[in-house]
Amino acid sequence: QQQVKQSPQSLIVQKGGIPIINCAYENTAFDYFPWYQQFPGKGPALLIAIRPDVSEKKEGRFTISFNKSAKQFSLHIMDSQPGDSATYFCAASLTNTGNQFYFGTGTSLTVIP
Amino acid sequence: EAEVAQSPRYKITEKSQAVAFWCDPISGHATLYWYRQILGQGPELLVQFQDESVVDDSQLPKDRFSAERLKGVDSTLKIQPAELGDSAMYLCASSKTIFRDEQFFGPGTRLTVL
Repeated sequence: QQQVKQSPQSLIVQKGGIPIINCAYENTAFDYFPWYQQFPGKGPALLIAIRPDVSEKKEGRFTISFNKSAKQFSLHIMDSQPGDSATYFCAASLTNTGNQFYFGTGTSLTVIP
Repeated sequence: EAEVAQSPRYKITEKSQAVAFWCDPISGHATLYWYRQILGQGPELLVQFQDESVVDDSQLPKDRFSAERLKGVDSTLKIQPAELGDSAMYLCASSKTIFRDEQFFGPGTRLTVL
């Protein structure tokens, strides 16, 4: 059973656009929600993360919006650049019981110059 | 900047052969994770170590996969015998502790089973 559902599977935007990637989860005990960026042939790298006690977190051009009641969270990339073209994964974990990450299926983002 | 090291980066093997992957976590990181990432999907946890002890290996196919972290530092993941369905990226990650901590990923080992 997929613990975290991610959409869309792929996304194409023009440079300067604001791609939005969405994730939904079922387990209300999850308490840590990171987003990872992965370039071809590389391991995932942490981009930004949020805990359920806040509704939004911003780091540079990347923003996470978190809706605890809907059990959803999303990644927004402001002023997207061609260098942002990568695969993005959301994840969720129970940090007090082993910190196992449950990953979404990934979104392939292409930013057209 | 400290990084998780993995080797080899690429491995091609034939069905029924044995393969082994090595991971060296960031120095001082007590927790080590092995993930499998099938093309087009997110990583899935295979095994998790806290120091030299296995914390979770519920998703590890134990009939053919084994993992060890004998001295609580580097780790080896072995597959014997390899099957066609094992073709995937094998990722190692580490974190300072088992609780409430960011996981840092290595570059992965791309396994192709022919």
